Amino acid sequence: QQQVRQSPQSLTVWEGETAILNCSYENSAFDYFPWYQQFPGEGPALLISILSVSNKKEDGRFTIFFNKREKKLSLHIADSQPGDSATYFCAAITGNTRKLIFGLGTTLQVQP
Amino acid sequence: GALVYQYPRRTICKSGTSMRMECQAVGFQATSVAWYRQSPQKTFELIALSTVNSAIKYEQNFTQEKFPISHPNLSFSSMTVLNAYLEDRGLYLCGAGEQYFGPGTRLTVL
Repeated sequence: QQQVRQSPQSLTVWEGETAILNCSYENSAFDYFPWYQQFPGEGPALLISILSVSNKKEDGRFTIFFNKREKKLSLHIADSQPGDSATYFCAAITGNTRKLIFGLGTTLQVQP
Repeated sequence: GALVYQYPRRTICKSGTSMRMECQAVGFQATSVAWYRQSPQKTFELIALSTVNSAIKYEQNFTQEKFPISHPNLSFSSMTVLNAYLEDRGLYLCGAGEQYFGPGTRLTVL
């Protein structure tokens, strides 16, 4: 059973558009949600993260919207650039175990 | 800055043989190191979580007998894949906390 779900599996947007990547989870004990960006042949890099006590986190063009009641969050990439083309992983962690649970990723393609 | 190095970046081994991979933390102290395997389907599987001065905790389906890990200090960890078979292929990632991941060691088994 996948504890962290991501949708869509793949997404194509035009340069300049806002890409919206969705994530949902099962375990209400999750309290920290990092998003990772991974390029082919590389390891994942932490992009932005949010604590469950917040409902929004912004960092430049990247924004996380978090809905604790619905156990959903989304990553918005504003003004998408071709260089943003990568696979994005939503992950979740519980305070006691500190164990990361990853989703299966969303592959984003930004067309120039 | 803080970086995590992994080596080798790629390795090929024959079925039934073993290979060792290393993880080096630079610029910070890696009190806990997690080893993951990313399958060709991109799924991340946590193999084990290693904390200095504590027992290494292996996840279900992964054992010390198959994936022995050493974490002797705050900057270094190694893991060996013993008796590798086709299903062990993938990208092995070393993560220090939630922030820092290495580039991975890609294992191909022939």
